[in-house]
Amino acid sequence: RKEVEQDPGPFNVPEGATVAFNCTYSNSASQSFFWYRQDCRKEPKLLMSVYSSGNEDGRFTAQLNRASQYISLLIRDSKLSDSATYLCVVYNNAGNMLTFGGGTRLMVKP
Amino acid sequence: ETGVTQTPRHLVMGMTNKKSLKCEQHLGHNAMYWYKQSAKKPLELMFVYNFKEQTENNSVPSRFSPECPNSSHLFLHLHTLQPEDSALYLCASSLAGVDPDTQYFGPGTRLTVL
Repeated sequence: RKEVEQDPGPFNVPEGATVAFNCTYSNSASQSFFWYRQDCRKEPKLLMSVYSSGNEDGRFTAQLNRASQYISLLIRDSKLSDSATYLCVVYNNAGNMLTFGGGTRLMVKP
Repeated sequence: ETGVTQTPRHLVMGMTNKKSLKCEQHLGHNAMYWYKQSAKKPLELMFVYNFKEQTENNSVPSRFSPECPNSSHLFLHLHTLQPEDSALYLCASSLAGVDPDTQYFGPGTRLTVL
């Protein structure tokens, strides 16, 4: 089983749509969780951290369910500029390591 | 953004060549990382350096040899690579001990091995 698993997509949605991505992780000792965004042929960049209580940053909402080892990202009112690959990332401080999922590709169409 | 820079951005090399990738961070961080990103695969962590000491080597073949002369610079020396080593090589840095889990990535070196 992969350590961090995501549906690769692509998710093709119209502008203004709401889209949700899910991610599962296998290491129950994982301590921190993130969503990174990676544009085509660019480096990954931190989008947001994911907290147990859930957190929101503008149109983006992240949720964590430790019991189910599940993380989600909700994007409301999708923009064309949201088109990218969204990487679910899990941190374990044993070894100071981030483990990346394979990414979910989002394409927002006019 | 120039927080983490990498050179060269693109590299084509033959299997018998020796080349080096360079990474430099200007963020005052003390941990640096090499990742490999192949097509349709997740980012794979290759090496971790904390305070210039290598703390992680994820079963990387010896044809990849990292070097960290100081906390701002990281190199990846390449020799006798294989075509399957063609990938995007990303460097990242973080502030170990304070904010270890927020990593900032460089733009990557796109490597093609012929």
